Amino acid sequence: DTEVTQTPKHLVMGMTNKKSLKCEQHMGHRAMYWYKQKAKKPPELMFVYSYEKLSINESVPSRFSPECPNSSLLNLHLHALQPEDSALYLCASSLGLAGGPHNEQFFGPGTRLTVL
Amino acid sequence: KNQVEQSPQSLIILEGKNCTLQCNYTVSPFSNLRWYKQDTGRGPVSLTIMTFSENTKSNGRYTATLDADTKQSSLHITASQLSDSASYICVVRATGGGNKLTFGTGTQLKVEL
Repeated sequence: DTEVTQTPKHLVMGMTNKKSLKCEQHMGHRAMYWYKQKAKKPPELMFVYSYEKLSINESVPSRFSPECPNSSLLNLHLHALQPEDSALYLCASSLGLAGGPHNEQFFGPGTRLTVL
Repeated sequence: KNQVEQSPQSLIILEGKNCTLQCNYTVSPFSNLRWYKQDTGRGPVSLTIMTFSENTKSNGRYTATLDADTKQSSLHITASQLSDSASYICVVRATGGGNKLTFGTGTQLKVEL
């Protein structure tokens, strides 16, 4: 299995809703990432987990709450979002955080989030 | 500040033609450079990766070059196909820093009949 899966593909939510995005990989990767991508812009790093521990938080608002329940799963809990949070949310994974060309980040297909 | 700039911003070519996309970077210290292809609404997929010592690398109809002295890279697409229509993103990784990537803004390529 050489892919990163994300669910749901599309999500529409109101500003008062609570929802979660899910990401899964079975490649034995120990680093997982959340990115936010607006239209025609490059992905922006949000969070990095290494060995199920939060390693990097790029000053993301607390209405986004990541969770890594085990080495294969990564969740992003959403609460009280704003319309400007509408974007494509990408999950990625890699063997680890060390350098080297073998440490490629594999991206999932993304979840298209719309906040009304 | 680490930066990656790409040109052109967008490009339209006829099917079967070749094209070259450019990438300039100021990421330091340099570890590697990848070209990704991203279809609309999908995640990026790696096409090639190049390290400091590599000048050219091919993947089918895609050929990437790297000049580490001038900090420039190019992606050449040969005999373009309609399915090549996508955004092509140049991504550079610095050594250390927890595998953080610096993304270019991408070149939007459209291949037409």
